[in-house]
Parts: sequence; C-alpha cells; structure tokens
Amino acid sequence: AQSVTQPDIHITVSEGASLELRCNYSYGATPYLFWYVQSPGQGLQLLLKYFSGDTLVQGIKGFEAEFKRSQSSFNLRKPSVHWSDAAEYFCAVGNTGGFKTIFGAGTRLFVKA
Amino acid sequence: GAVVSQHPSWVICKSGTSVKIECRSLDFQATTMFWYRQFPKQSLMLMATSNEGSKATYEQGVEKDKFLINHASLTLSTLTVTSAHPEDSSFYICSATSEGNTIYFGEGSWLTVV
Repeated sequence: AQSVTQPDIHITVSEGASLELRCNYSYGATPYLFWYVQSPGQGLQLLLKYFSGDTLVQGIKGFEAEFKRSQSSFNLRKPSVHWSDAAEYFCAVGNTGGFKTIFGAGTRLFVKA
Repeated sequence: GAVVSQHPSWVICKSGTSVKIECRSLDFQATTMFWYRQFPKQSLMLMATSNEGSKATYEQGVEKDKFLINHASLTLSTLTVTSAHPEDSSFYICSATSEGNTIYFGEGSWLTVV
C-alpha cells in the first residue's frame, strides 16, 4: 500500500533563509509524487509533480523538489523563503495510472521576519 | 482557471438533514473522481474513489450508507452526506482525472452541521 511520511509537523524559518521540507514515501512501483500548498481555509494548489524523467523538478513560486529513489524521498526546497510562503504543505503519492492520491500529514511552515 | 469546480463552497445544514456537494470537471471528461475529507489542522483523508457509471469504492472506515457518492456522468460526481451530524462538519475536496492525464483538485466545500 502506498503511504507518505512528512516527519516535521511544523517548521519555522526566517524570511530570506532557505527551506527544505522532508517527504518519504512508500510505494511498490515508480510513484507519482506531488507537493501541494494550502493556505488557511483554502483549497489545494499544486506546486510541482514528478512522474518520470529528470529527478530534479521545478515548480511554481520558486520551489523545487528532488526525487531520490534510493532514499524513497521527495524533499521540497526553496532557496529564499518569503513571508507569503507561510502555509501548510502536503506531500502526496499517487499510484500509476489511477492517480489515487494519498497525502502526508502535512508540514506547517511559519516564516519569521 | 479552475478545471474542477465544487459547489457549494460553503454550506450550513441542520443536524439530521442531508446535504449534497457537487464536483464537476469543466474542461475534460473525468473517468475517475476522488473524494477527500479534511478536518481542521489535519491532512486530507481519502474517502472514496468514484468511476463513471459504477459504484464507488470506499476506503476502510468510511460509511458508504452515510456518504453516498454518485458519478452519473463523465463530468459530474456528487457526494451526499445523509443524516448529517455535527461531527460530519469538515472540508470536503474532490479531485478528478482522465486516463493517462494528470489530476486536478477542486477548491473544496466547507460543511457545517448545526
């Protein structure tokens, strides 16, 4: 069965500092991997996705993520965080062909001035 | 613009009544739709998988008689919360996909049962 682990419940970074949010997945085949962001009371916004090909994926808002099969990880990174990045971030894994998507518990990002 | 639309965005209903939430794919035919529930400050939990023209497949622990899902057309799936109670108050999100393509999420529907 597919599963996703986001080990950090919340993270606080200073504005302008770099960010890395961790995500580990469990899936028997090559997974579809996603990162979503959710602001309070809002729906989901897709930041980026990985299906195949280049393991370093570029997304919107300056985010990137790297797929590492050997570590079963898909960590999200941003070189310089802005106050507007404060939100809840969800890593998700989808099964091939069907897109049944399972979400991690989420990581709440706080940005301090 | 949104390719998956949910309606209503917000709904308040009385305890014991039923409420229906619609999920529509606007620009494509969705062979499969998924329904999620998200309690405050928690993650999204998959409730069921809905394939057009067939019965929905429910995840373990989800009451199929309480959460009725109908996927009558390739562009519409509905979730009906029957005999709603305050503990059903939640944020419900749908997603839709077509074969061999990507997946799109709706903007979610807030349900408050009073």
